[in-house]
Amino acid sequence: AQSVTQPDIHITVSEGASLELRCNYSYGATPYLFWYVQSPGQGLQLLLKYFSGDTLVQGIKGFEAEFKRSQSSFNLRKPSVHWSDAAEYFCAVGPYGGATNKLIFGTGTLLAVQP
Amino acid sequence: DVKVTQSSRYLVKRTGEKVFLECVQDMDHENMFWYRQDPGLGLRLIYFSYDVKMKEKGDIPEGYSVSREKKERFSLILESASTNQTSMYLCASRGGFANTGELFFGEGSRLTVL
Repeated sequence: AQSVTQPDIHITVSEGASLELRCNYSYGATPYLFWYVQSPGQGLQLLLKYFSGDTLVQGIKGFEAEFKRSQSSFNLRKPSVHWSDAAEYFCAVGPYGGATNKLIFGTGTLLAVQP
Repeated sequence: DVKVTQSSRYLVKRTGEKVFLECVQDMDHENMFWYRQDPGLGLRLIYFSYDVKMKEKGDIPEGYSVSREKKERFSLILESASTNQTSMYLCASRGGFANTGELFFGEGSRLTVL
């Protein structure tokens, strides 16, 4: 079955510390992979996406993610977290070809940032 | 700036009422979507539309219907609201097939059914 797993429901980091949010997927075909962020009271905003090519992708707000096919993972990283990064983060996977009706979202990781 | 607007941010309705959630996008996108967001369950697709008057069921269509009479507008309808439909509803849009698949989301409509 196709699925996306975000094993960490809630993470707390100190401002300035590094961050890694985990995402594992199970998908039968070549996947498109996405990370979205949802700030409190807001809709989701795309952080970054991977379709092909370089497995390390850069996104907005200083985030990056690395696609590891052998581990079926697409972990999100940031070297130094800012207080404004406190939000909920969703990983999503879809079929190669961009048929977004088939996009599968993870259950989200809620990030808290301590001063 | 691209924009997806959900007209109602917060609604409180009673069981059995008919509820309309409206969504408008200004990007001339072909595809529009309604998701339901619940804690611990992530986003689940209710319905999507790939053209005017065209619709397809998502993963959880039961108890919902949709309407797309104009390209920019996609409405979600709860014919008879029930308490288990209390949730956050997110509308999204996406460009045509050649698009790389980014969804643009509205800010959400939080519905409480009493």
